[in-house]
Amino acid sequence: DIQMTQSPSSLSASVGDRVTITCQASQDIRNYLIWYQQIPGKAPNLLIYDASNLETGVPSRFRGSGSGTDFSLTITSLQPEDIATYYCQQYYNFPYNFGQGTKLEI
Amino acid sequence: EVQLVESGGGLVQPGGSLRLSCAASGFTFSTYWMTWVRRAPGKGLEWVANIKRDGNERYYVDSVEGRFTISRDNAKNSLYLQMNSLRAEDTAVYYCVRARDHYYFDYWGQGTLVTVSS
Repeated sequence: DIQMTQSPSSLSASVGDRVTITCQASQDIRNYLIWYQQIPGKAPNLLIYDASNLETGVPSRFRGSGSGTDFSLTITSLQPEDIATYYCQQYYNFPYNFGQGTKLEI
Repeated sequence: EVQLVESGGGLVQPGGSLRLSCAASGFTFSTYWMTWVRRAPGKGLEWVANIKRDGNERYYVDSVEGRFTISRDNAKNSLYLQMNSLRAEDTAVYYCVRARDHYYFDYWGQGTLVTVSS
């Protein structure tokens, strides 16, 4: 199975900050990576697919990058509504494992 | 508008069974792979199972293989998860999820809580 490791596990930042979350795969997954956002009390929301493609309707301040084993999600200017837990997920093969999540606080 | 509404969660004793249902609307159900994902209390997301558009291919995480069965009824626009031999570690909110292009989990239900406890 492919293991996904996110860092940090939690992060505190201020409105307007540039925030970066990283995700490392245990083997090469090319660009088969997705980022999700889960706001407390709500279902997860797809942000980025194929490592760097912005899902329709997602604000442009969210950016994904990386390939192979190392990936990152960057929020270029943090907004209050971005308070959430963020997850990466690989879909290179089954099981489609998620990272453990990064809890973002302001 | 795409809607996914789960039902069937509740409290069950260890070793018991439960069947989750998901009613889908707002899209052509039969043309999408579907998925169950769960989130245990205080933990992260875990992919549980996928089913192909026609139901002929199914995949499971190892921890539920042989105990859970994912199925669908395209005539009823419904997805199911039959859960047998339930364990305390199966306690979680279970989400019904649409998988665009097989991989991209683009629409999620609000989830149904399954609690396995004596």
